[in-house]
Amino acid sequence: GNSVTQMEGPVTLSEEAFLTINCTYTATGYPSLFWYVQYPGEGLQLLLKATKADDKGSNKGFEATYRKETTSFHLEKGSVQVSDSAVYFCALWMDSSYKLIFGSGTRLLVRP
Amino acid sequence: EAQVTQNPRYLITVTGKKLTVTCSQNMNHEYMSWYRQDPGLGLRQIYYSMNVEVTDKGDVPEGYKVSRKEKRNFPLILESPSPNQTSLYFCASRFDQRGGLADTQYFGPGTRLTVL
Repeated sequence: GNSVTQMEGPVTLSEEAFLTINCTYTATGYPSLFWYVQYPGEGLQLLLKATKADDKGSNKGFEATYRKETTSFHLEKGSVQVSDSAVYFCALWMDSSYKLIFGSGTRLLVRP
Repeated sequence: EAQVTQNPRYLITVTGKKLTVTCSQNMNHEYMSWYRQDPGLGLRQIYYSMNVEVTDKGDVPEGYKVSRKEKRNFPLILESPSPNQTSLYFCASRFDQRGGLADTQYFGPGTRLTVL
């Protein structure tokens, strides 16, 4: 079946460090891929998305490229801030399944 | 402002006492869905609805009911809550399940439920 695997957290970084959160997926077909962010005490917000292979989603300095050959959608940011501390979820959508399939989430802690 | 609202945001109840969590969206979305979030498991879909009077089970529907009598509302009903339903619940909506430009799913702020 379809699934998403994320790296285990927490990921702890110092401010201005480079961030990578790995995400790989298994899907029969061509899913759309998403990164959602959940700040403490809040709901999920869409961070970025990509709907086909080689698309790059970007927002707020975060980027992720849809890599069909490696079935990956890794999240990157060149210089993290304390305000980026949150839980990040990778997810996929297949039109045939009528649902978002989420990874288990990765908590990011950014220290000043 | 386009949004998905949920009520209540926090709820503590006891085993067996029926409760309803409301969800409403103002974006005229056809598709709505409920998820629960548990540590280490991410979010899992409980039920979804493709449109008014059309609902179907997700991955973890046991112990839950839903209804979709109006396009904007999609309440989640726990008729006899149990402690294993203690969780963080999210409602979400989306314009069209067939993808394309309108394929972003919008989430409500969440309802934290504790069943004692």
